[in-house]
Amino acid sequence: GAVVSQHPSWVICKSGTSVKIECRSLDFQATTMFWYRQFPKQSLMLMATSNEGSKATYEQGVEKDKFLINHASLTLSTLTVTSAHPEDSSFYICSASPGAGYEQYFGPGTRLTVT
Amino acid sequence: GENVEQHPSTLSVQEGDSAVIKCTYSDSASNYFPWYKQELGKRPQLIIDIRSNVGEKKDQRIAVTLNKTAKHFSLHITETQPEDSAVYFCAASRAGGTSYGKLTFGQGTILTVHP
Repeated sequence: GAVVSQHPSWVICKSGTSVKIECRSLDFQATTMFWYRQFPKQSLMLMATSNEGSKATYEQGVEKDKFLINHASLTLSTLTVTSAHPEDSSFYICSASPGAGYEQYFGPGTRLTVT
Repeated sequence: GENVEQHPSTLSVQEGDSAVIKCTYSDSASNYFPWYKQELGKRPQLIIDIRSNVGEKKDQRIAVTLNKTAKHFSLHITETQPEDSAVYFCAASRAGGTSYGKLTFGQGTILTVHP
């Protein structure tokens, strides 16, 4: 149980285009989903917290107009990187939690490369 | 906000030896402390966690200790094996309440176990 999927697993896009990444909880309802970014050889940095049916809460320094997050259902959250630039190339990982509790379940990550 | 410091950044041991990784946190309200193992290009995998009402937890070769007063917690791996080689991250969160349990990660420790 507690499986989280992400799609796509990797994507290459051109600078200036937008990319959407999906995060799904497959066998539980995720009240809360988190989006992290991980640059090579670095730690996971939280970008935003999304709760179903409400606006996402972004961490300081994360541009909400560039990284659009939608949590339209209890099993799906999407992250759209708008007007992507090469510096947005990174490993994006989502996690999901069934409530305001403890353990989070991580997706497999999406490798984004912007050329 | 929460700040988590992790040491050492790299750790090299011989197979069969023990490995210890230490983390300190700043927010006294943090109450959940998970440890993750991450292999290259993959999602973080929860290996053990501890909640603030417990001082120590053990699962086979892995143990975690928590000192709330000093605000530090440690991961102990005994009888290390080459397959233990990976990057290990500690994290802290304030489960419950308006923080929704968002995780703050340490910087990571690259553990190498030599056969």
